[in-house]
Amino acid sequence: GQNIDQPTEMTATEGAIVQINCTYQTSGFNGLFWYQQHAGEAPTFLSYNVLDGLEEKGRFSSFLSRSKGYSYLLLKELQMKDSASYLCAVRRYGNNRLAFGKGNQVVVIP
Amino acid sequence: NAGVTQTPKFRVLKTGQSMTLLCAQDMNHEYMYWYRQDPGMGLRLIHYSVGEGTTAKGEVPDGYNVSRLKKQNFLLGLESAAPSQTSVYFCASSSMETGRNQPQHFGDGTRLSIL
Repeated sequence: GQNIDQPTEMTATEGAIVQINCTYQTSGFNGLFWYQQHAGEAPTFLSYNVLDGLEEKGRFSSFLSRSKGYSYLLLKELQMKDSASYLCAVRRYGNNRLAFGKGNQVVVIP
Repeated sequence: NAGVTQTPKFRVLKTGQSMTLLCAQDMNHEYMYWYRQDPGMGLRLIHYSVGEGTTAKGEVPDGYNVSRLKKQNFLLGLESAAPSQTSVYFCASSSMETGRNQPQHFGDGTRLSIL
């Protein structure tokens, strides 16, 4: 099976930087995805890591350490629209199924 | 560009009633999935399909059935609805090519309440 752990909620100020962590335990690791989900809406794809290191995409960056079973999503220059739940999902070899963490709710305040 | 479309968006059922949720995708994706999302539980996979005519069980399949008669459609059925099936249901699809540009794409969800 897979065990994916994320903190449940955090609050940050507009313009700040926030780091959302995800730890996982799985065999046959084949990639980690980050999704953003606004309340009442569908999850939307943010980033993907399969090799160790940092992937940067505008204000969002994602980091992976396979040996530690650890990833984080970094949100810079926070905007009010970034208030959402951020989901970490792990894929295993052999199929394209994802196992999702419970999500981390980020609340951005003025 | 519709992507993944789910119908209906909302539904209220009585215990014991049956219904079918429809998912349609226009991206020619081979893989399709049904998830449920409950507070504090995250997204959990119900059933999935790796191609037309094939289906497989996910993490929480009990009480649900699925069919994939056409590549673009994936149906989720509840034969005898129970209050424990009150949830938000998401359909997703993805290409069979695993990699950076092949994430799962989600529909807008169906909010189902069982009384």
